[in-house]
Amino acid sequence: KNEVEQSPQNLTAQEGEFITINCSYSVGISALHWLQQHPGGGIVSLFMLSSGKKKHGRLIATINIQEKHSSLHITASHPRDSAVYICAVRWSLRNQFYFGTGTSLTVIP
Amino acid sequence: NAGVTQTPKFRILKIGQSMTLQCTQDMNHNYMYWYRQDPGMGLKLIYYSVGAGITDKGEVPNGYNVSRSTTEDFPLRLELAAPSQTSVYFCASSYSSDRGPWRNSPLHFGNGTRLTVT
Repeated sequence: KNEVEQSPQNLTAQEGEFITINCSYSVGISALHWLQQHPGGGIVSLFMLSSGKKKHGRLIATINIQEKHSSLHITASHPRDSAVYICAVRWSLRNQFYFGTGTSLTVIP
Repeated sequence: NAGVTQTPKFRILKIGQSMTLQCTQDMNHNYMYWYRQDPGMGLKLIYYSVGAGITDKGEVPNGYNVSRSTTEDFPLRLELAAPSQTSVYFCASSYSSDRGPWRNSPLHFGNGTRLTVT
């Protein structure tokens, strides 16, 4: 069983649509991270959060610690948002990270 | 500020050859990690380090070795390369404070090394 589960695995959307990617985890955490990886590219950190909600431009990340669940929302999606989005949690007992397998997003013009 | 610098970007090895993947960070992060990324799988931890002189095994350490002689550098050594080591490798770093998790930094990644063993 994976400590971090993401859904959906693949997502295709029309430009302008509102997108939600979900992440559930099973371990105690000190923080949850949302990462973005473009095809053939490196991995960049979008958000690090331990409670509540964060917003950066058209991206919004929320976390519910009690339910061990986080969501990443993209408003007014654009083709440049096409990437793999990875949920990662920092395990509270040790400073190690567990990663989801990623959600591959394709936004069609 | 360069962040995490990882070299090389690509490499092809023959079975049995050895190589070192270099990783350097200039953010004074105490934690450094090596991950491998295989298609359809999440990132798997190979080795990690909590500071200079201290390293520890992750989930998939077999066939690899690391050292951390300085805060900045964390090279990954592959001895006797095998086809199962064909993967994309990422070095990452973060700052973790013993004064509380709110002082922790995000995880910073290098650009990755695509390694093929044939």
